[in-house]
Amino acid sequence: KQEVTQIPAALSVPEGENLVLNCSFTDSAIYNLQWFRQDPGKGLTSLLLIQSSQREQTSGRLNASLDKSSGRSTLYIAASQPGDSATYLCAVEGLTGGGNKLTFGTGTQLKVEL
Amino acid sequence: DGGITQSPKYLFRKEGQNVTLSCEQNLNHDAMYWYRQDPGQGLRLIYYSQIVNDFQKGDIAEGYSVSREKKESFPLTVTSAQKNPTAFYLCASSMKRPYNEQFFGPGTRLTVL
Repeated sequence: KQEVTQIPAALSVPEGENLVLNCSFTDSAIYNLQWFRQDPGKGLTSLLLIQSSQREQTSGRLNASLDKSSGRSTLYIAASQPGDSATYLCAVEGLTGGGNKLTFGTGTQLKVEL
Repeated sequence: DGGITQSPKYLFRKEGQNVTLSCEQNLNHDAMYWYRQDPGQGLRLIYYSQIVNDFQKGDIAEGYSVSREKKESFPLTVTSAQKNPTAFYLCASSMKRPYNEQFFGPGTRLTVL
């Protein structure tokens, strides 16, 4: 059974710092990996999707990498801002089992301080 | 605007009642999903549907039921058989592979009184 782990569970950084969020998964047979952002009491916002054949994806100040063989992904946030404060979730879609089923990690709660 | 809507935003249920959560999308997505989110836990899949008139159980389907009569709509019923229904419920939709990035609605918070 696929398990997704995100470390650390919480992170506090000063504004302007570059930071890395980590995601690991136990089964490397994945179709893709998706990073989301969730603000308190809100739904999820899709940030980046990396297909299993890709190594990385970039969107603005965000860069996500994928190392499928080692079961790891990182989300790099450049020049962090207070508006980046949120919970960041990663999720993987397995190759087997049918359908577009995602397995989620429990998230990293990020706080960017002035 | 294209997107996913969920209603109501807050829902209160008495024990023994069935309640239905609404999810509508105008993205022309084929697949729709229901997740449950509890504090300190990741999202868990309840049901999903890849096509109209068809749906499959997710990891925690017991005590829930769904229907998919229209492409745009995927309502979730929380039945009295669900022992611990208080949670945040999220609906999502996606296109078919390989363009199957999932997009989420704003959620419904269900509280059992």
